[in-house]
Amino acid sequence: GENVEQHPSTLSVQEGDSAVIKCTYSDSASNYFPWYKQELGKGPQLIIDIRSNVGEKKDQRIAVTLNKTAKHFSLHITETQPEDSAVYFCAANRRFGAGTRLTVKP
Amino acid sequence: ETGVTQSPTHLIKTRGQQVTLRCSSQSGHNTVSWYQQALGQGPQFIFQYYREEENGRGNFPPRFSGLQFPNYSSELNVNALELDDSALYLCASSIPGAGASGGAGSPDTQYFGPGTRLTVL
Repeated sequence: GENVEQHPSTLSVQEGDSAVIKCTYSDSASNYFPWYKQELGKGPQLIIDIRSNVGEKKDQRIAVTLNKTAKHFSLHITETQPEDSAVYFCAANRRFGAGTRLTVKP
Repeated sequence: ETGVTQSPTHLIKTRGQQVTLRCSSQSGHNTVSWYQQALGQGPQFIFQYYREEENGRGNFPPRFSGLQFPNYSSELNVNALELDDSALYLCASSIPGAGASGGAGSPDTQYFGPGTRLTVL
């Protein structure tokens, strides 16, 4: 079955810096790659997604890139703010990574 | 905030008991998926319901079962509770075909509810 690995498990950056989270997947049939932000006590919130017919997608400070050949995809957050602090999850179709706890220091 | 609601917010059960969790999907969404999220881990797919029928299942035993009603709301039932069933149970709703731009079989964009925290003692 599908296996999704996510790195790093924790990430601490200074406000204004960029943050990058990377995921790899094993099933070449995977064709949908969403990213979720989960704050304490809440359900995952979709922040951006990309499908297999697109290599890159951007929405304001957030961008996602997909390399189908290498089976990896990444989340890029620029100009980070303290309110970006949360746990971020990648997914390949319905299989989720283990999450990255992002802390943005003021 | 999505329009997906779940009840109850949290509950406590003892081993061997049965539990029913409920989910109301976002307006216009006719597909509901359930996930289990253990502490410190990512959500794990349990199953999906579309038009009142199970439409995909993850690696969970038969004691995890579900229903979807004509108004697209859904229930997750867990029988013979075990300690390891303690987790946050998440419901997500979607519209089939919303993923059509990604090609045949492309999964739909899902919107999660706040979850139900289940503790099994």
